[in-house]
Amino acid sequence: SQQGEEDPQALSIQEGENATMNCSYKTSINNLQWYRQNSGRGLVHLILIRSNEREKHSGRLRVTLDTSKKSSSLLITASRAADTASYFCARPRAGGTSYGKLTFGQGTILTVHP
Amino acid sequence: ETGVTQSPTHLIKTRGQQVTLRCSSQSGHNTVSWYQQALGQGPQFIFQYYREEENGRGNFPPRFSGLQFPNYSSELNVNALELDDSALYLCASAGGAGDEQFFGPGTRLTVL
Repeated sequence: SQQGEEDPQALSIQEGENATMNCSYKTSINNLQWYRQNSGRGLVHLILIRSNEREKHSGRLRVTLDTSKKSSSLLITASRAADTASYFCARPRAGGTSYGKLTFGQGTILTVHP
Repeated sequence: ETGVTQSPTHLIKTRGQQVTLRCSSQSGHNTVSWYQQALGQGPQFIFQYYREEENGRGNFPPRFSGLQFPNYSSELNVNALELDDSALYLCASAGGAGDEQFFGPGTRLTVL
C-alpha cells in the first residue's frame, strides 16, 4: 500500500502561474524526496529534503517539510508548459534511511497551458 | 557516463506465461531497485539488489524474483503472469544501498 498521500490529484494552470502540490505521510521519516514523471516514463529526481531541514530550493522549485504535521509541499514558480508532468513524493520505506527503497504517493498530475 | 537502460521497451504476454525484464545500471553503481507502477498510481517497491544479494523486498509474491550479475546489471522475472501484472516496471540504480537512485525509462508490460 502507498502511505504518501498527495493532493490535489490533478492541477491545471496557465503558464506563468505558480503550482503547489502537497504530500502527507503517516510515520516518522529521515528524508523526503520529490520526483517528476513525463508521460508514464522514467522518474526524474527533483529534490531531497532531510528531516532536519524546513525548506529547500532548486531553481524554480521550493520544497518545504513540516515534520510535526507530517507534510511536505512542492512549489513550482513561474510555471512553463514543459513542467506538465506527474509529480510524486517519496519517502524511505518503514521509516528507514535508505534512499533506495521508497514508498511513493499516488502523485499529482500537473497540466500547464501555454 | 551512460544512464540506466531497460529492455525491452514494451512487451505483451498472455496469462500464465513467464517474463524476464532487464536493467543495466549506471556506470559505477552497485545497487538496483525494481518498482511496479500500475496505471494512474505511484511506483511500488518490489525489491532491491546490492552487490548481487537481495537487500529488501516489498509486498510482492514469490513469483516475482530477481537477479543481479557481477557487472551489477539486473533481471526481474515474473512467473505465472496475471492480468494485474500489467504495469510499467521501473528499475533504478544507485552507487550504494543508501544513495540517491537514478531511474531507467521503464518497460511497459501488458498481460492479456
